[in-house]
Amino acid sequence: EAGVVQSPRYKIIEKKQPVAFWCNPISGHNTLYWYLQNLGQGPELLIRYENEEAVDDSQLPKDRFSAERLKGVDSTLKIQPAELGDSAVYLCASSLGTTGGYEQYFGPGTRLTVT
Amino acid sequence: SQKIEQNSEALNIQEGKTATLTCNYTNYSPAYLQWYRQDPGRGPVFLLLIRENEKEKRKERLKVTFDTTLKQSLFHITASQPADSATYLCALPRDNYGQNFVFGPGTRLSVLP
Repeated sequence: EAGVVQSPRYKIIEKKQPVAFWCNPISGHNTLYWYLQNLGQGPELLIRYENEEAVDDSQLPKDRFSAERLKGVDSTLKIQPAELGDSAVYLCASSLGTTGGYEQYFGPGTRLTVT
Repeated sequence: SQKIEQNSEALNIQEGKTATLTCNYTNYSPAYLQWYRQDPGRGPVFLLLIRENEKEKRKERLKVTFDTTLKQSLFHITASQPADSATYLCALPRDNYGQNFVFGPGTRLSVLP
């Protein structure tokens, strides 16, 4: 079974430029998460999708971040414009459900460096 | 919302010994708690889930305990091996709905040969 796929693995951009990250979750997983992870910290939730609906985006900085999950499968996270403080690893995860403690399956992440 | 503390940023132990990692939370006691392993350059990998009515859960050399009175979970690796070296994260529901998770900062374990 294929795991969660993310691309690109690494991205270096200059500040004020746009950037996009792509995620393909495990087949059949209705729930998709985007996390941000800074060095030495645990993942922090940005947005959670149930199928194609963003059910929790309270932690997403909406002035510059946006996300979509068309057809309830693949998802894209975008930053425009990027700032120096956005340098981090962006992780995508998926699960079969939410309540009840379903385990999350994480992708390898995209390491973003903003110069 | 929840705040999670993990005992130390880094823990070094000798091969063959038991590693004990601590996860403390501050607010309400969640219905369950999860532990994940993260290797450098990779995403976290699920290890174990323990529910509030379970005092202890085991999986091979791993053991997790959950004390809702102390608001603490302990994660043990017995007969540790260098391959166990990684960062270990605990995660629990952010609120009573249990749909979003809060992760601790992690403890970086190094098992020395």
